[in-house]
Amino acid sequence: EADIYQTPRYLVIGTGKKITLECSQTMGHDKMYWYQQDPGMELHLIHYSYGVNSTEKGDLSSESTVSRIRTEHFPLTLESARPSHTSQYLCASSLRDSTNTGELFFGEGSRLTVL
Amino acid sequence: RKEVEQDPGPFNVPEGATVAFNCTYSNSASQSFFWYRQDCRKEPKLLMSVYSSGNEDGRFTAQLNRASQYISLLIRDSKLSDSATYLCVVRDWGGGFKTIFGAGTRLFVKA
Repeated sequence: EADIYQTPRYLVIGTGKKITLECSQTMGHDKMYWYQQDPGMELHLIHYSYGVNSTEKGDLSSESTVSRIRTEHFPLTLESARPSHTSQYLCASSLRDSTNTGELFFGEGSRLTVL
Repeated sequence: RKEVEQDPGPFNVPEGATVAFNCTYSNSASQSFFWYRQDCRKEPKLLMSVYSSGNEDGRFTAQLNRASQYISLLIRDSKLSDSATYLCVVRDWGGGFKTIFGAGTRLFVKA
């Protein structure tokens, strides 16, 4: 089993609220990612990090922001939630590229509903 | 054109059937290839890597054709528990490895 955890698993919140989705991994992985996935649709990369103090935007534009102050922790923040942010957010991690088989380990996801 | 393309399905098959999924990718310089499985409302999990020589893991066989930029997954003797979405995943090098997920092929195995 992968040791990567996301909280909350489910969140229903009103428009305009600030939210933070937490993601932690205990595998010592350097690389971490946030994906967004709507029901029945593909995963879209919205943020990634190569390590502490490194954050990059992914392929899909997102109004969210991320931080990487500690290796094990990669939280995602929405300053003002809107109904268009309703989706599932999946956090993942992997080893450094030079030692990486390519496998991504995913958390169980955070399902966000903005009313 | 999407970088990784899959037939979305769904594939509806009876238990015991053999089913094959196909996937094509657009970047000829792609480095690594994988099949992930995603159950309904769950996270994706690695099913198997795909090697140039082809590889097998129990009832699952993966093939790669670099010349045609084509990946396949064959499932023999389907089980009810095989019902899931199968994601074709390609890893490219572009100054750093980039993992690209296909939209997935849905499989329903029925008794």
